[in-house]
Amino acid sequence: RKEVEQDPGPFNVPEGATVAFNCTYSNSASQSFFWYRQDCRKEPKLLMSVYSSGNEDGRFTAQLNRASQYISLLIRDSKLSDSATYLCVVSRSYIPTFGRGTSLIVHP
Amino acid sequence: DAGVIQSPRHEVTEMGQEVTLRCKPISGHDYLFWYRQTMMRGLELLIYFNNNVPIDDSGMPEDRFSAKMPNASFSTLKIQPSEPRDSAVYFCASSYNPGQGGSDTQYFGPGTRLTVL
Repeated sequence: RKEVEQDPGPFNVPEGATVAFNCTYSNSASQSFFWYRQDCRKEPKLLMSVYSSGNEDGRFTAQLNRASQYISLLIRDSKLSDSATYLCVVSRSYIPTFGRGTSLIVHP
Repeated sequence: DAGVIQSPRHEVTEMGQEVTLRCKPISGHDYLFWYRQTMMRGLELLIYFNNNVPIDDSGMPEDRFSAKMPNASFSTLKIQPSEPRDSAVYFCASSYNPGQGGSDTQYFGPGTRLTVL
């Protein structure tokens, strides 16, 4: 079993739609959780951290479920500029493991 | 503050040649990571340093790969000899120890796109 698993997609949605991604991780000792965004031919950049209590940043909401070992990202009111690959990241002792990413395409 | 700097941005070389990739982390960051990204395998951690010391190189694919960090502001990843299957984007990233007031957020450089013919 891979340490961090994501559905690669692509998720193809119209502008204004709500879309959700999930990510599962295998190591119960994982300590920190993140979502990164990677645009085509660019480097990954931090989108947001993920906490058990939930974390909201504008149209983006991230949630952690430690009992089930999964992380979610919800994007509301999708914009064309949200088109990118979203990487789930799980960290232990400050060392991250990246998922393969989920591709999102937002179309007019 | 300038972000993580990598050079070259693109490298095209022939099989068997030596390739050296360079990275300058963000000033003050004490962790440095080298990653490789391909369509087939995604983003793979190759090696990471803490305070210039290599901590875990278990991700280095084979002896043809080596990495050094002679000081806090410079690291190299060398491939000798290079092979076509080494073609990938190589990212360097740095972070600052959360235990010292930092965050384990990773800051990535723009990457080096390597093509081995």
